[in-house]
Amino acid sequence: QSALTQPASVSGSPGQSITISCTGTSSDVGGYNYVSWYQQHPGKAPKLIIYEVSNRPSGVSNRFSGSKSGNTASLTISGLQAEDEADYYCSSYRVNTLYVFGTGTKVTVL
Amino acid sequence: EVQLVESGGGLVQPGGSLRLSCAASGFTLSSYWMHWVRQAPGKGLVWVSRINSDGSSITYADFVKGRFTISRDNAYNTLYLQMNTLRADDTAVYYCARDSSGWSFQPWGQGTLVTVSS
Repeated sequence: QSALTQPASVSGSPGQSITISCTGTSSDVGGYNYVSWYQQHPGKAPKLIIYEVSNRPSGVSNRFSGSKSGNTASLTISGLQAEDEADYYCSSYRVNTLYVFGTGTKVTVL
Repeated sequence: EVQLVESGGGLVQPGGSLRLSCAASGFTLSSYWMHWVRQAPGKGLVWVSRINSDGSSITYADFVKGRFTISRDNAYNTLYLQMNTLRADDTAVYYCARDSSGWSFQPWGQGTLVTVSS
């Protein structure tokens, strides 16, 4: 049951845009529009920021956006702010397994 | 305010048992599917189990099948995870989470730490 692949770390300066990738297969990311993204600050619970590839829950900043191409989903954070420094995880429906998370990406604001 | 509060974590010896609880408030638990997700120290999130709204449909990740049991008491707005035959690699923070649109999870509880060690 392998996790989806994310880069271990991504960094950017305040105001910049960064993109986090999430690579799976046709059995998960590529086959279904059921990709979600979570933000987790140290010692805190994860928080849903994107669902169904590109939808934002109420209250989530429009600086967060999601997309998908083939077997890779992406989360873009625009206008990077200090408060965006956190770990980010993607998740997807996967055939047979049902739910799979990504390996996680640490975002650092320089 | 929608809130989930886990309890029941602690230190347990290998082979031991523990029951986690997740108290829901601010919404009607009986209307929602619920999940348990865990996170080993310094590691990523891993889905553990899911239960439908009335408890009639349950699914587990392969690594807990036969050892963990998810259940719920909608009258008491509480979700449970009975964990038996615990192993060192079960050490993790266990989160309960409400099922949300598009196979997502929201909100999450604050988590409860389970440590399996002799």
